[in-house]
Amino acid sequence: GDSVTQMEGPVTLSEEAFLTINCTYTATGYPSLFWYVQYPGEGLQLLLKATKADDKGSNKGFEATYRKETTSFHLEKGSVQVSDSAVYFCALSDPGTASKLTFGTGTRLQVTL
Amino acid sequence: DTAVSQTPKYLVTQMGNDKSIKCEQNLGHDTMYWYKQDSKKFLKIMFSYNNKELIINETVPNRFSPKSPDKAHLNLHINSLELGDSAVYFCASSPYSSGSIDEQYFGPGTRLTVT
Repeated sequence: GDSVTQMEGPVTLSEEAFLTINCTYTATGYPSLFWYVQYPGEGLQLLLKATKADDKGSNKGFEATYRKETTSFHLEKGSVQVSDSAVYFCALSDPGTASKLTFGTGTRLQVTL
Repeated sequence: DTAVSQTPKYLVTQMGNDKSIKCEQNLGHDTMYWYKQDSKKFLKIMFSYNNKELIINETVPNRFSPKSPDKAHLNLHINSLELGDSAVYFCASSPYSSGSIDEQYFGPGTRLTVT
């Protein structure tokens, strides 16, 4: 079945540091890939997405590229801010599965001054 | 206007009770979902309805019964609550139609605590 593996957290960075959160997946079809973010006490918000190989999703300075050859969708940001502190979820949606999302375990990011 | 809303936000109840969580979306979407997030933040789908029809049921105990009176609402009823049901429950919606993949919009969550 489908699965998503994310790096263990928490990740603690100083403000303006470079961020990478690794995500790899296994899927039976050709999935769409997503990053969702959950700020403390809130629901999930879509951060970015990519629907086919080599697509790059980007939003708010975050980027991720759909790499079919390595089955990866790593999240990056060049300079993090304290306001980026949240839990980040990598997810996939496989065609034919009624668009259900399969999530990774989430990675908590803590950014300090 | 809130796109996906859930009530209540917090729910504290005792083992053995029956409770319901309500979800409404005003996005005009055809598909709605329930997810469970456990204490370690792991999210797993429970159910999905498309135009009031059940399309996903992920081996959830039959104490959980979703009900969709119309495509804008998907309620979750839980019978005989157990300690292990304590979690945050998220409702989501998407414009999904057969063969497509669309992003999902999540509600703020309902934190259920069973004592």
